[in-house]
Amino acid sequence: DADVTQTPRNRITKTGKRIMLECSQTKGHDRMYWYRQDPGLGLRLIYYSFDVKDINKGEISDGYSVSRQAQAKFSLSLESAIPNQTALYFCATSDLRGTEEQFFGPGTRLTVL
Amino acid sequence: DQQVKQNSPSLSVQEGRISILNCDYTNSMFDYFLWYKKYPAEGPTFLISISSIKDKNEDGRFTVFLNKSAKHLSLHIVPSQPGDSAVYFCAASDSGAGSYQLTFGKGTKLSVIP
Repeated sequence: DADVTQTPRNRITKTGKRIMLECSQTKGHDRMYWYRQDPGLGLRLIYYSFDVKDINKGEISDGYSVSRQAQAKFSLSLESAIPNQTALYFCATSDLRGTEEQFFGPGTRLTVL
Repeated sequence: DQQVKQNSPSLSVQEGRISILNCDYTNSMFDYFLWYKKYPAEGPTFLISISSIKDKNEDGRFTVFLNKSAKHLSLHIVPSQPGDSAVYFCAASDSGAGSYQLTFGKGTKLSVIP
């Protein structure tokens, strides 16, 4: 079983809709992250959390919100989706007691029409 | 302003030869560097890392070299295999900042030709 899972894997939605992407992990890591990948732009950090009471904005947080429901769950919401939020979204985790290495989920491909 | 740069979007190498992927950074506070490999429809997977206290780290066919004065690192794959064909991302971190954030380059697509 995958250590970091993301649901859904693919989603097509319309402009203005509210969308939630979910991430769960069984690695027991405290730190969780959300990234988006656009063609030719690499991965950019949206939000990150070091525990359930800690939420931090990343490089590109505008238009997004997150919720850390439990140590193992970190969800990303698009309150009102717009076409330029079409991208691949990745969740990642890392160990508070470890190195800088992050472990990634398989990704969610989101298309906003 | 891009702090981690991978200036080659793509690279083609013959099977059995050496692949060299390059990465430059501008932030002098970065002190930990990682390489990730990404296949289509999968998330990035960690490949190898190096701390700024070292100038080389080796793991099997993969070696990362760090030149701090030039703010440059490179990933060497020897010998290259068709299964190495993927997108490779360079990432950097300022471990002293306590934010545990990674800054990624745009990636280099490696194609290993049989």
